[in-house]
Amino acid sequence: KAGVTQTPRYLIKTRGQQVTLSCSPISGHRSVSWYQQTPGQGLQFLFEYFSETQRNKGNFPGRFSGRQFSNSRSEMNVSTLELGDSALYLCASSLAVVPYEQYFGPGTRLTVT
Amino acid sequence: GDSVTQMEGPVTLSEEAFLTINCTYTATGYPSLFWYVQYPGEGLQLLLKATKADDKGSNKGFEATYRKETTSFHLEKGSVQVSDSAVYFCALKYNQGGKLIFGQGTELSVKP
Repeated sequence: KAGVTQTPRYLIKTRGQQVTLSCSPISGHRSVSWYQQTPGQGLQFLFEYFSETQRNKGNFPGRFSGRQFSNSRSEMNVSTLELGDSALYLCASSLAVVPYEQYFGPGTRLTVT
Repeated sequence: GDSVTQMEGPVTLSEEAFLTINCTYTATGYPSLFWYVQYPGEGLQLLLKATKADDKGSNKGFEATYRKETTSFHLEKGSVQVSDSAVYFCALKYNQGGKLIFGQGTELSVKP
C-alpha cells in the first residue's frame, strides 16, 4: 500500500505571498491531520479533517486554513506568509478506528524569505 | 492542559549499549501513548503504541510500557545500532480526536 504523499517537497516563497500544500492519504484513510515542525516550537497540531469537515483545530491564526476533498485528499493554505512560517509541514492520515494511529508523510519544507 | 515531557538530548551511545529515553505526560483523561522516530530529512514513523495502562508496546527491539501510576512511557532498547540514530518523539492522543501532543524530541546518536 502506498504511504502518505505530500507535494511539493520543497518550496521557497516570499513574505506576503500565499502557499498551498497538498497531501494524499493512505488509501482507505479518511482522517487527515496537519502539523507544523520548527526547531523552536517543535511539533504543533494545525487541524484535522474527516469526511471533508474540519474536526479539530490547533491554536494557529486564521491565515492557516485547510480543506479536504471527497477522495480524502487534503490541502492546506497559508496566506500572507511571514518569516516565522518557515517550517516543515507534515501531513498524517489515519483510519477512523481506535486508537486512530497516524501515519505521516515526508513533509513539505517551506522557506519564507 | 495535556503535555508531554522528554529527557533532553542529544543522547550519545556506543553500539550495543542499552538505551532509555524518558517520557512523562500530563493528561486530564485516558490517552493512548505513542513513540515516533524521525530520520534526517524524513517524516515521522510510528515506532510503537500503547492504548491503556500497563500495555506494553514493542517493535524492532524497542519497548515502552504505559505506566499510569508514574504517568510515564519510557522507551527502551537492549542493544542499539548505528542505524537507530534519529530523533525520537513521545506523544499522546485521545481517541476521539486527531490531535497528537508531542514531546520536544530526543536526538539519539549511536557511535560504532
